[in-house]
Parts: sequence; C-alpha cells; structure tokens
Amino acid sequence: GQQLNQSPQSMFIQEGEDVSMNCTSSSIFNTWLWYKQDPGEGPVLLIALYKAGELTSNGRLTAQFGITRKDSFLNISASIPSDVGIYFCAGLTSGTYKYIFGTGTRLKVLA
Amino acid sequence: DADVTQTPRNRITKTGKRIMLECSQTKGHDRMYWYRQDPGLGLRLIYYSFDVKDINKGEISDGYSVSRQAQAKFSLSLESAIPNQTALYFCATSDFWQGTGELFFGEGSRLTVL
Repeated sequence: GQQLNQSPQSMFIQEGEDVSMNCTSSSIFNTWLWYKQDPGEGPVLLIALYKAGELTSNGRLTAQFGITRKDSFLNISASIPSDVGIYFCAGLTSGTYKYIFGTGTRLKVLA
Repeated sequence: DADVTQTPRNRITKTGKRIMLECSQTKGHDRMYWYRQDPGLGLRLIYYSFDVKDINKGEISDGYSVSRQAQAKFSLSLESAIPNQTALYFCATSDFWQGTGELFFGEGSRLTVL
C-alpha cells in the first residue's frame, strides 16, 4: 500500500540534543497526525494538525503542517532517554476513511 | 485503563485454527478499524466500519472477517490461520462527527501462526 516518505529513517542522538524529522507526500492532506510507537505497543497520538502553516506544540514536541499541505515536520527539543521509539506520521484527506502512514523514524537517544 | 482495549495481547496458534481478536472502546467513537503491521510494510488496513450496520473491506481483507457487535465492539476473525498472517494487529477508532480525523490505536495483538 501507499506510504508517506519519512526522513530520516533512523537517528542516533545524544541526550539533550534537538531532533527534527519530516514527512512528505505527493498528495494534499487536510489532517496530519504524528505518533510515537514503542516496540510491540500501540501507536500513541502526539500531535494533530488541521491547517496549512499551523504550528502546534505538546510539551517538548512541536509539529508543523506544511504550507503546501504535502508535508509536515516534527521537532523534539532537549531529548531524553524515554524519547526512544519509532515516530511516524499519518495523513488524511477530508471526507475519506483512508489514513496514509509514514515509513517511520527510529530514534535512539544515547545518555 | 486504555480507551481502546484489545484482547488477547499475544496469541500463538497453529495453521488452520480459527482465531478471534477482540476490540472494545470507551471513547464513544463511531468509526473502527483493523490494521496489521509488518516490518517494512507499515500499517495496512484490513477492514473498517463506520457504524454497526456498515462494514467495509480494506486493502488486505482476504483471509479475514469482522463483526461489529455494538458501537463499542469490533472483532477480527481469521477463519483458518496461516503462517503469513503472523503479525502485530491493531484496532483503531475515530470520531467522524467531531471532524478532527484523530485516529486512536489499541495496544496491539501479537499473533504468531505456526
């Protein structure tokens, strides 16, 4: 099935560093969602975005809805060990049921 | 307690056996989904339901069936399990009437078919 391009695929960073990742699509979306998934667990919704250009924060996490509506970005500031996991995006077009998911970014934080 | 609960969390079974994965939600959402997740393939939609009387096939429905017993309950069945159905299965819910498109996942059910 279709997947959104997400980069980077993986990151190894030092505790305290900031992290940036992005998701790109060839299609326009009306909603962008960002999730974190721990191994063997269900994805947890971090941030939802609804409008082009929107910037939304959730604690140390900040996400942006790209102005072209074809991309989205997630930043994590001052990373801590519990930020370890897989982060992925999802896009949704209004009036549809079909969520398109990103390929995921695996984050590892070195203490 | 989780808003979207899946049972069992882990199951090992043999080829040819019938398996049911159950999902219940306390979020009051109308839409429910079943996905499977495989390494490198991401999340793929098996079935989805917009309300109790509405069931729709997703992209990989062959070998699976579902039942929406109530607004809060959506079960997935494998009538005759085969090894390539070994995967992590997720139930998810969303609220059409709220209009946000936010999708909430359960904790997952890991199925191994020997």
